Amino acid sequence: AQTVTQSQPEMSVQEAETVTLSCTYDTSESDYYLFWYKQPPSRQMILVIRQEAYKQQNATENRFSVNFQKAAKSFSLKISDSQLGDAAMYFCAYRVNAGNMLTFGGGTRLMVKP
Amino acid sequence: DAGVIQSPRHEVTEMGQEVTLRCKPISGHNSLFWYRQTMMRGLELLIYFNNNVPIDDSGMPEDRFSAKMPNASFSTLKIQPSEPRDSAVYFCASSLRGGNSPLHFGNGTRLTVT
Repeated sequence: AQTVTQSQPEMSVQEAETVTLSCTYDTSESDYYLFWYKQPPSRQMILVIRQEAYKQQNATENRFSVNFQKAAKSFSLKISDSQLGDAAMYFCAYRVNAGNMLTFGGGTRLMVKP
Repeated sequence: DAGVIQSPRHEVTEMGQEVTLRCKPISGHNSLFWYRQTMMRGLELLIYFNNNVPIDDSGMPEDRFSAKMPNASFSTLKIQPSEPRDSAVYFCASSLRGGNSPLHFGNGTRLTVT
């Protein structure tokens, strides 16, 4: 069974600074996809960024980027120039290509200090 | 596109009552998922459908839970009889088949069973 682990229940960052959220996963598959979702207090689940396991290049979306280390099964999210609106729960998720379900980590609560 | 539409947004009911949660997926999406979110257990997949057919219902906690997808544009999750431990936020999500397609989530239904 695939598992996704987020070892940081809470993180804090100063506005305009950079923060990195950690995620590791366990799988025997070689073809899979990784995602980061954001859940603000409104509870809406918002896709932040995704990474294909077959791509060596790390995905980037504006201030959000990932550090994907396939051999280490690590998929961290870096948020640059943090903004107050980035405060939310962040979930790392895994999806195997041959299957369909999305497996989530336990989440990291990010607080942004003004 | 209106996104995934869930109703109701909030539901408060008494123990023993039947509860029905509703979901309209994004048009054209052929996979639909029901997740439950609690503080203790995080995001759990309950069941998912491909082309209206239930594929994996191993996450359904017990026989009190049932889900249907009578057509491509509608799904229900029913709890009968409801219990206080069923209190949670229930999310519906839809996607295209394939690992690289992200899940699009509805705004969730917050269920409170007293």
